[in-house]
Amino acid sequence: KQEVTQIPAALSVPEGENLVLNCSFTDSAIYNLQWFRQDPGKGLTSLLLIQSSQREQTSGRLNASLDKSSGRSTLYIAASQPGDSATYLCAVFDSNYQLIWGAGTKLIIKP
Amino acid sequence: NAGVTQTPKFRILKIGQSMTLQCTQDMNHNYMYWYRQDPGMGLKLIYYSVGAGITDKGEVPNGYNVSRSTTEDFPLRLELAAPSQTSVYFCASSKQENEQFFGPGTRLTVL
Repeated sequence: KQEVTQIPAALSVPEGENLVLNCSFTDSAIYNLQWFRQDPGKGLTSLLLIQSSQREQTSGRLNASLDKSSGRSTLYIAASQPGDSATYLCAVFDSNYQLIWGAGTKLIIKP
Repeated sequence: NAGVTQTPKFRILKIGQSMTLQCTQDMNHNYMYWYRQDPGMGLKLIYYSVGAGITDKGEVPNGYNVSRSTTEDFPLRLELAAPSQTSVYFCASSKQENEQFFGPGTRLTVL
């Protein structure tokens, strides 16, 4: 059974720092991996999607990597800003056509 | 293009009552999904559909029912509401196994 883990559960860093969020999954048979952002009491915003054949995707200050063989993905955020404060969720679309979710990393960027 | 819309935004039910959560998408996506999110947790898949007339159970289907009579609509029915169904419910859609787009969510409390 696919399981997705995100470590750490919470992270607080000063504004301007570069940071990395981690996501690991137990079964490498995936179609894709998505990173989402969730603001308190709000819905989910898709940030990046990496297909299983890709190694990384970039959007602005965000860069996501995928290593299927080791079951890992990272989300790199450059030059963090207070507006980046949110919960970041990763999810893998597995061979059963289901999106399996991590519990998220709550990120706080201190001004 | 409204994307994925959900109604209602909030609802309080008494134990044993029933209700239907509505979900509509205007992107002509064939795949649609219902998730629930409990506090501090990732999302769990309740039901999904790969096209009109086709539905299948996800990880936590007990206490719920769905139907998919059109491409656009994917209502979720709660029968005999229980306190354990207090959660935030998200509907999503995608074009096959690609990026999923989410609605704003329905916050349900069962007392």
